[in-house]
Amino acid sequence: NAGVTQTPKFQVLKTGQSMTLQCAQDMNHNSMYWYRQDPGMGLRLIYYSASEGTTDKGEVPNGYNVSRLNKREFSLRLESAAPSQTSVYFCASSGDWYNEQFFGPGTRLTVL
Amino acid sequence: ILNVEQSPQSLHVQEGDSTNFTCSFPSSNFYALHWYRWETAKSPEALFVMTLNGDEKKKGRISATLNTKEGYSYLYIKGSQPEDSATYLCAFMTTDSWGKLQFGAGTQVVVTP
Repeated sequence: NAGVTQTPKFQVLKTGQSMTLQCAQDMNHNSMYWYRQDPGMGLRLIYYSASEGTTDKGEVPNGYNVSRLNKREFSLRLESAAPSQTSVYFCASSGDWYNEQFFGPGTRLTVL
Repeated sequence: ILNVEQSPQSLHVQEGDSTNFTCSFPSSNFYALHWYRWETAKSPEALFVMTLNGDEKKKGRISATLNTKEGYSYLYIKGSQPEDSATYLCAFMTTDSWGKLQFGAGTQVVVTP
């Protein structure tokens, strides 16, 4: 089992460019999450998907969109990147919304 | 603004010593409290999920308690070892934000031999 995988590991964008961060899990989990991690801020929830076909905003959704492509995959899209979106992004999954979460390795994104 | 407060921000412990630290959260509409361990260059890993007032959980030398009425949880490490060096995160969930964890900034623990 690979657990939760994320691509890419690192990315540098220019302001205004777009990109999609990919996340997949092989644990047959229902719920998936996207977080960003900034110094001194803790992990902050961007979007979450309780089950296939549903998505919901988290604490910091502005500037992002998500797609729950199927039960395994949950992607995060930045339509027009801004320097404020420079961060480390973590995808996570859990059996259901009340279970412990399993995290991917993270994507370090820099927006110039 | 973080509703979850963790203290201290960091602490240094001698190998073999025991230590503990705190997670404080709003007591209203409580649903669950999670603890995660985050080693440098790795991803957070779940330690405990606690839901009931008075809950006590244990995993090896690490244990946690929960007081939902006053809004705090303690994490204890008994006989600290260098491999316990990590940042420990707590996160809570309310009954009106199901599925949405709010994380604290963490307590960084450094265990020196």
